[in-house]
Amino acid sequence: NAGVTQTPKFRVLKTGQSMTLLCAQDMNHEYMYWYRQDPGMGLRLIHYSVGEGTTAKGEVPDGYNVSRLKKQNFLLGLESAAPSQTSVYFCASSPRGSGYTEAFFGQGTRLTVV
Amino acid sequence: AQSVTQLDSQVPVFEEAPVELRCNYSSSVSVYLFWYVQYPNQGLQLLLKYLSGSTLVKGINGFEAEFNKSQTSFHLRKPSVHISDTAEYFCAVRISGTYKYIFGTGTRLKVLA
Repeated sequence: NAGVTQTPKFRVLKTGQSMTLLCAQDMNHEYMYWYRQDPGMGLRLIHYSVGEGTTAKGEVPDGYNVSRLKKQNFLLGLESAAPSQTSVYFCASSPRGSGYTEAFFGQGTRLTVV
Repeated sequence: AQSVTQLDSQVPVFEEAPVELRCNYSSSVSVYLFWYVQYPNQGLQLLLKYLSGSTLVKGINGFEAEFNKSQTSFHLRKPSVHISDTAEYFCAVRISGTYKYIFGTGTRLKVLA
């Protein structure tokens, strides 16, 4: 029972490089999310998706793009990495519904931009 | 707009002492309430949740939380903490009927020997 799996777990990028973070969930959840976690700021929503083929901006979307071509996968892209994007990134998923179900989180990706 | 406030960024406590981590929320619409725990270098995992019914909710690892509608609070408690409880704890709300979760900024619990 894998749940939510994030790839890679660690990455170091040089300023200006690009990369894609992969999130895969095996729970058939409709909703998927990308958050970033920074000290003292909690979790901030970058982008989210309410279904296959649909994505939307969260509260801190600048510098990131996402795609959800398959229901089980949600990709987060950085086209030109900046030091301000050094953070821990979490993917999460949840089922659609009235809201009584929690979000399920991956183990995180620690990204350093130098 | 909805918001979640965790006033204590860090809480040090001695082993076997009781602890309370505070969470207050603001919402004009119906919400569901959650507490998550994050151990070092790991993702968030659910500790407990309040949906409806009894205002005292029991979770994993001996934690419990009490929902207080009049004070819009959902404080987390444990009567006797262990070293292994050292972690960061996040309070969250989900807006009923939506995709949206709102997280507090977290409280770092440090249990001292």
